[in-house]
Amino acid sequence: NAGVTQTPKFQVLKTGQSMTLQCAQDMNHNSMYWYRQDPGMGLRLIYYSASEGTTDKGEVPNGYNVSRLNKREFSLRLESAAPSQTSVYFCASRPWGSPLHFGNGTRLTVT
Amino acid sequence: DAKTTQPPSMDCAEGRAANLPCNHSTISGNEYVYWYRQIHSQGPQYIIHGLKNNETNEMASLIITEDRKSSTLILPHATLRDTAVYYCIVHFTNSGYALNFGKGTSLLVTP
Repeated sequence: NAGVTQTPKFQVLKTGQSMTLQCAQDMNHNSMYWYRQDPGMGLRLIYYSASEGTTDKGEVPNGYNVSRLNKREFSLRLESAAPSQTSVYFCASRPWGSPLHFGNGTRLTVT
Repeated sequence: DAKTTQPPSMDCAEGRAANLPCNHSTISGNEYVYWYRQIHSQGPQYIIHGLKNNETNEMASLIITEDRKSSTLILPHATLRDTAVYYCIVHFTNSGYALNFGKGTSLLVTP
């Protein structure tokens, strides 16, 4: 079992470029989440997906889009990257009644 | 989800018990208290959770007050490897809810 896998681990973008952060889980979990973490800050929820086919906004959704491609995969897209989106991005998943399982993060720098 | 309040930082001597408090005065009857920790910049890791009874596992103990408005995570014999940011969050066990983290408590265990 790989758990929650995030790709890439590191990425550098120029302002205005687009990219998609990938997240996949092999635990058959229903719910998946995307968080961002800025230096010295806690985790802030960007988007989440309660189940396959549904997505909802979290605290800080502006500038992002998501796709729940199937039960395993939940991707986060930056259409036009901005320096304010420089952050560490964490994906997580959980089944009914159980704790969150986190990936190891994607470290994104926008110059 | 109920909001939580935690002290921003705490110190603890190695070998002593670390008692991390969390206030969640607006918790509703079916919401559980969950604790996670984040070491360096890794993905957060689940520690323990509970509804109203005290809980203990191999990592920690969780004490929830009778009115459920606050809780304390206890690391009985803190080690240097317990230096981390500890997050307390409260939520329903159903999968389909936004799970919001605050800034947590940064625990420094000193030799």
